[in-house]
Amino acid sequence: GAVVSQHPSRVICKSGTSVKIECRSLDFQATTMFWYRQFPKQSLMLMATSNEGSKATYEQGVEKDKFLINHASLTLSTLTVTSAHPEDSSFYICSARADSRGAKNIQYFGAGTRLSVL
Amino acid sequence: AQSVTQPDIHITVSEGASLELRCNYSYGATPYLFWYVQSPGQGLQLLLKYFSGDTLVQGIKGFEAEFKRSQSSFNLRKPSVHWSDAAEYFCAVAFAGGYNKLIFGAGTRLAVHP
Repeated sequence: GAVVSQHPSRVICKSGTSVKIECRSLDFQATTMFWYRQFPKQSLMLMATSNEGSKATYEQGVEKDKFLINHASLTLSTLTVTSAHPEDSSFYICSARADSRGAKNIQYFGAGTRLSVL
Repeated sequence: AQSVTQPDIHITVSEGASLELRCNYSYGATPYLFWYVQSPGQGLQLLLKYFSGDTLVQGIKGFEAEFKRSQSSFNLRKPSVHWSDAAEYFCAVAFAGGYNKLIFGAGTRLAVHP
C-alpha cells in the first residue's frame, strides 16, 4: 500500500514552454501533498505544500507564478512549471501524506521527474 | 532555527561490515524522525520512523535506528551491509505544527565494496 505515482518520469522541453507534472496517491487519500526540488548530489528542498481545495503554500524564495500548483482532488496534485528556462532543469519529487490516522505523519514519495529545459 | 545535520557526506564500507550513519537535529522539542533511502534517479523509500515510545526502532531491509534525546541524534545502523544497500540515505525530521513539513539532512552517500 501507500503508493504514489508521479508522471512523467522524464521530460525534455524547449525554453519558454510549460510543463505539467502529476502526482497521484494510488491507494490512499491525501489532503496534503508536497513538492520538492533536488539538485544533483544535493538534498531535497521543499518548494510548496499543496492542500486539496485551497491555495498552495509556497516556501520562501519560490515563485508561485512560476510553479503553479493545483490540488483538485484527494488523490491528485499537479505542478506546472510555466515558461521554463534552463535554470529550471532539475529533479522534482512529490510526496503525499496519508489522511488515515495511523499514517498521518508519514510522507510517501513519488519516483520523481527529471526536467531538462533546452 | 530548525535543522538536520548529517555529518558524513560519503561513506564506504565493505560488504558484510557493519554500518552507522549519523544524524543530528536542532529543535526545542522532540520531532518526528525518519530515515529515507534513495537509489539513483529514484524517489525516496521510507526505511523507518520514530514518533514516540521505544527509542530503538526497527525498519525494513534490516535497518534500525536509535533516538537519543540527550544527544539530539537519530543514527541509522545495520549489522551487515549488502551490496544492494549502496544508495543515498536521508535523515529527515518533521516538527510539530503546520503540516508536519519534512526538513531533510544533506544526505549520506553509501558505497559498498565487494
